[in-house]
Amino acid sequence: QSALTQPPSASGSPGQSVTISCTGTSSDVGGYNFVSWYQQHPGKAPKLIIDEVSKRPSGVPDRFSGSKSGNTASLTVSGLQAEDEADYYCSSYAGSTYVVFGGGTKLTVL
Amino acid sequence: QVQLRESGPGLVKPSETLSLTCTVSSGSISTYYWSWIRQPPGMGLEWIGYVYYSGGTNYNPSLKSRLTISIDTSKSQFSLKLSSVTAADTAVYFCARDRGDAYDYDYWGQGTLVTVSS
Repeated sequence: QSALTQPPSASGSPGQSVTISCTGTSSDVGGYNFVSWYQQHPGKAPKLIIDEVSKRPSGVPDRFSGSKSGNTASLTVSGLQAEDEADYYCSSYAGSTYVVFGGGTKLTVL
Repeated sequence: QVQLRESGPGLVKPSETLSLTCTVSSGSISTYYWSWIRQPPGMGLEWIGYVYYSGGTNYNPSLKSRLTISIDTSKSQFSLKLSSVTAADTAVYFCARDRGDAYDYDYWGQGTLVTVSS
């Protein structure tokens, strides 16, 4: 069982927006502004797409955005494209436990 | 562009020690934190631990008693040793660069599948 809770699946049609949630506790998500999101295509390594809750690393499209409220962080993918179909994982700094991950959400583009 | 590559046996027997090495190229290993992360088949990610370029380490408490992570800056390599393995340790093992100040991973190896089986 993962430390952070994500919905197992999400879906949307091309052009639509989808939001994926990541729920933790005050000891991780709620306690620090160090939430990251990763995109993982089948058989590939994860790719960092959001760090420090809402920052986009260089080269990541602005269709990807992140936010946080209390113990829940969210990733929004706007203007869905076929290549956005992948697994998405959140992570958070968790103090003495260092970094914890969510169980992952499979995003399907219909 | 920093590149990381994992190497090591793909099959380990139960109760033995899993050993992997990550080679870093096109960038200096003498800064940042260098981590191991694993992903059991069809499951999520789990942070294993990190080593700092100076040799300092931090381990996942659930693995700490079986784990050793070390670094050899002269070879631009860092290594993982996990002892007394069981089938539950079967996973794809990734090495990754930890930026440290943001507790996230900006460069990853391609991953290597290690199966624990007799």
